[in-house]
Amino acid sequence: GAVVSQHPSWVICKSGTSVKIECRSLDFQATTMFWYRQFPKQSLMLMATSNEGSKATYEQGVEKDKFLINHASLTLSTLTVTSAHPEDSSFYICSARTRDYNEQFFGPGTRLTVL
Amino acid sequence: GQNIDQPTEMTATEGAIVQINCTYQTSGFNGLFWYQQHAGEAPTFLSYNVLDGLEEKGRFSSFLSRSKGYSYLLLKELQMKDSASYLCAVVDSNYQLIWGAGTKLIIKP
Repeated sequence: GAVVSQHPSWVICKSGTSVKIECRSLDFQATTMFWYRQFPKQSLMLMATSNEGSKATYEQGVEKDKFLINHASLTLSTLTVTSAHPEDSSFYICSARTRDYNEQFFGPGTRLTVL
Repeated sequence: GQNIDQPTEMTATEGAIVQINCTYQTSGFNGLFWYQQHAGEAPTFLSYNVLDGLEEKGRFSSFLSRSKGYSYLLLKELQMKDSASYLCAVVDSNYQLIWGAGTKLIIKP
């Protein structure tokens, strides 16, 4: 199947700093990418949907000024957690959907710990 | 509202067969995914069904009945490594994924 990569795989940062997470579709073009967060023992929670070349659509309750999403190309989307706080510590996972909508592949996830 | 139901937890024996059910009520339907997720890892794609019937892929099979709003994932010849959470997700009319809470499958020797 198609491959989606994420970088970094884990990051530890101090409270107040910003962290950027990259999501790349390595062997296919992803017109749509999704960003999720997952707290321990909980289901995936969709944060935002990102379409190439347009602004991301955020789910209710997700602060768009705090979680900046850029989908600059058909193979790259970035999530920047600005002014991170300990409660932002979570597992952030991206996924990319193929053009014909019949498959959606996940990146390996990024574990963020904010001290 | 939109709703996906699947059992919270199931237990099965190594070598046996287990069926994980998923029922859904969504605004429109454009397919159903099954994913496997091991603890601390991202979900892994298992199957996609958009037409009624059974899709077989090795030890895993997935079934869909659109009229009943029902799907199941069938795992045969269970192995210890199959211990994981299994997530059912439906693509709605806006092509958004609606997620179930996942079924934690525990395999015992």
